[in-house]
Amino acid sequence: QSALTQPASVSGSPGQSLTISCAGTRSDIGEYPFVSWYQHHPGQAPKLLIFEAFKRPSGVSDRFSGSKSGNAASLTISGLQPEDEAVYYCCSYAGVGSLFGGGTKVTVL
Amino acid sequence: QVRLEESGGGVVQPGRSLRVSCATSGFVLSSFPMYWVRQAPGKGLEWVAVISFDGRNQYYADSVKGRFTISRDNDKDTVELRLNSLRANDTGVYFCARDIRVGSGHTGTFDLWGHGTVVTVSS
Repeated sequence: QSALTQPASVSGSPGQSLTISCAGTRSDIGEYPFVSWYQHHPGQAPKLLIFEAFKRPSGVSDRFSGSKSGNAASLTISGLQPEDEAVYYCCSYAGVGSLFGGGTKVTVL
Repeated sequence: QVRLEESGGGVVQPGRSLRVSCATSGFVLSSFPMYWVRQAPGKGLEWVAVISFDGRNQYYADSVKGRFTISRDNDKDTVELRLNSLRANDTGVYFCARDIRVGSGHTGTFDLWGHGTVVTVSS
């Protein structure tokens, strides 16, 4: 199975909102409710931001929101802050294993 | 404190073997499915393997099937990955991760991660 498709990079100014897309297929995102998003700062442990497409774990800022439609999902970061600069990955359960997107580098201008 | 800590990475020649470990603390390991996820240099994350909460079921990515073995010791609070017949493209950071769901089945959602251990396959 191929990886999910994400844009390589997006950028925005502090305070702005930006959205990261994640395209899959009917065998992964389209089939299962288990779509998740992770924030990864280099050298650190990845952090779960969104699970089951739109749910936020306790302690995650409500500036992060997720959605899913058909075979695609998206992550929106509202009120962009300098500490949001990181790589963001989408992930979908795919019937035994999981598929990740290639990662999107978010730059805060 | 809830924590995962990987160890055992290093430099190994192609074709050789290595074992990486994940020490867990702060939660009841026997309740959760556990995973290994890796990241090649300059690349994204790749799911490698999952083991059920009781250790009875294991599943692997096609890229490592037949070469890697995931195991767990719920009494010692550890998860391991045995890497055999290593190839250059197995080089990367290996992360241990926990499933968000308790009990049977797994969701492929990772709510707790370690910082990773580096495996380098080179002659």
